[in-house]
Amino acid sequence: GAVVSQHPSWVICKSGTSVKIECRSLDFQATTMFWYRQFPKQSLMLMATSNEGSKATYEQGVEKDKFLINHASLTLSTLTVTSAHPEDSSFYICSTEQDLSGGYTFGSGTRLTVV
Amino acid sequence: RKEVEQDPGPFNVPEGATVAFNCTYSNSASQSFFWYRQDCRKEPKLLMSVYSSGNEDGRFTAQLNRASQYISLLIRDSKLSDSATYLCVVNRGDSNYQLIWGAGTKLIIKP
Repeated sequence: GAVVSQHPSWVICKSGTSVKIECRSLDFQATTMFWYRQFPKQSLMLMATSNEGSKATYEQGVEKDKFLINHASLTLSTLTVTSAHPEDSSFYICSTEQDLSGGYTFGSGTRLTVV
Repeated sequence: RKEVEQDPGPFNVPEGATVAFNCTYSNSASQSFFWYRQDCRKEPKLLMSVYSSGNEDGRFTAQLNRASQYISLLIRDSKLSDSATYLCVVNRGDSNYQLIWGAGTKLIIKP
């Protein structure tokens, strides 16, 4: 089945620095990638939808200048958390669009801790 | 009202018991429905897609009632390994790709 490789799986960074998270689709092309954020004991919240070769679509309340998304190729989408603050600490996870089996393939997630 | 609502949980049940999860959704235009399972600090994994006719996969049975905008998941003969958070997921009515996630119901199976 489809596999999405997400890196890093966890990262600790200092407040004010930027962190880049990568999601790569292996053995298939992903024209669309969804980026989610999940705070402890809460549901996944869609942050943005990235489309290869075009600008990402951000959900209401998500700062596009803070969460930079790049989908420059059909196999790579990146999320950069710029000027990270402790409140950005969360579990970030990417997902492809629906496949033929009806499911969505997720990356393994990135646990970001900003200190 | 939340777009997707689930039982708040957690559910603590003995091994071997039958467990039922309930979920309601607000967008009548939604077309795709899923149950996902998420283990602690892991990514969600698809458990079942939910079809109008209802579907069963081993010990798991999913049902959909479009008129009531209600989805259920039944787990029979629960195992210790079933302990996880179960997430009800519905696609947006205006987009077949974007998903709305319930907050999840945590299930704890006790020996």
